[in-house]
Amino acid sequence: AQSVSQHNHHVILSEAASLELGCNYSYGGTVNLFWYVQYPGQHLQLLLKYFSGDPLVKGIKGFEAEFIKSKFSFNLRKPSVQWSDTAEYFCAVRGNNRLAFGKGNQVVVIP
Amino acid sequence: GAGVSQSPSNKVTEKGKDVELRCDPISGHTALYWYRQSLGQGLEFLIYFQGNSAPDKSGLPSDRFSAERTGGSVSTLTIQRTQQEDSAVYLCASSLWMALTTGNEQFFGPGTRLTVL
Repeated sequence: AQSVSQHNHHVILSEAASLELGCNYSYGGTVNLFWYVQYPGQHLQLLLKYFSGDPLVKGIKGFEAEFIKSKFSFNLRKPSVQWSDTAEYFCAVRGNNRLAFGKGNQVVVIP
Repeated sequence: GAGVSQSPSNKVTEKGKDVELRCDPISGHTALYWYRQSLGQGLEFLIYFQGNSAPDKSGLPSDRFSAERTGGSVSTLTIQRTQQEDSAVYLCASSLWMALTTGNEQFFGPGTRLTVL
């Protein structure tokens, strides 16, 4: 079965700082990888996804992620965060008819 | 267009009662999923429906949990004889056919927050 590990569950940083969230997955089949975001009081929405092609994926709101197959990783990055990026971020891998999610990163951006 | 909708948004019930949670997927989406989001457990897969195929129930935590999908659209998740550990946010998601070559994403609803007293 597939699984996802996310590290540093709570992240606090100042506006304009750079953000990197780690994601490592375990799955033996063809990999589809996702980052979802959940803003306070809102439902999960997709930030970006990888399923084939260029391993550097660009998503909404200036986020990007890089799929490194040899490291089983799909880390999320944003060069300069804003207060509005305060949210919980979930990495997920798809396999066996479902998404397996990591435990999430609670990110707080201080103005 | 309309997204995935779920009802009720909040449900408080007493231990031992049965509850039904409803999900209306995005029109045209053939795949429907239920997940559970609870503190300390993150997001857990419960069940998957695809068209007229038999559902994948492998994530249901006990036989008190069941789900059906009528007419290939609306789905109901039923929890019988609720327990306090069932308290969580129950999320529904839908997608187009989940072919690996297309990378179709799942669209999530707002969830139903279930509290079992």
